[in-house]
Amino acid sequence: DVKVTQSSRYLVKRTGEKVFLECVQDMDHENMFWYRQDPGLGLRLIYFSYDVKMKEKGDIPEGYSVSREKKERFSLILESASTNQTSMYLCASRWGGVSGNEQFFGPGTRLTVL
Amino acid sequence: AQSVTQPDIHITVSEGASLELRCNYSYGATPYLFWYVQSPGQGLQLLLKYFSGDTLVQGIKGFEAEFKRSQSSFNLRKPSVHWSDAAEYFCAAYGGATNKLIFGTGTLLAVQP
Repeated sequence: DVKVTQSSRYLVKRTGEKVFLECVQDMDHENMFWYRQDPGLGLRLIYFSYDVKMKEKGDIPEGYSVSREKKERFSLILESASTNQTSMYLCASRWGGVSGNEQFFGPGTRLTVL
Repeated sequence: AQSVTQPDIHITVSEGASLELRCNYSYGATPYLFWYVQSPGQGLQLLLKYFSGDTLVQGIKGFEAEFKRSQSSFNLRKPSVHWSDAAEYFCAAYGGATNKLIFGTGTLLAVQP
């Protein structure tokens, strides 16, 4: 069974802290994605990666960075967390370069920044 | 700009009633189309997808969707809703100049007993 796991389901951090969100997939997928989900806004793409050490900005990359040192792991980093980054964060992965392939999602991390 | 629109933010149906969730897309050509479901506290699960061919697509959990090119729509349907179908439903599309999956804003489905 395919699986995308995220390191935490719930996270509470203080303003200004550096925050790491980890995502691991066991499907040997080339592509990995980070989204944030906010009520009324749907899912918005923050960053994605199509290969190890490769990354591309999504629609809302400001305030975020990513790291992909191994194929199975994709990390989202909030360098200095702010209250407007309180959100649900979803990681996803997808096989291959064909756009139509399904994305598989993790369970999400609900981050609260105080 | 490419976009996906779900006009209904919230829908309530009675258990056993039929369901139709609307989705419209704006793309230069026919994109790949998807419906995902998100149960409370969970990630997104794929219900079904359309690439080409037969415009009526069958999915999991008894759902189906119909692609209508003339209306730029990809509406999700279920003939008889179960209480366990209460969730948020997202329509999404790939295609055109972007290699990104674009999501609609979601429709929250409530099921009354």
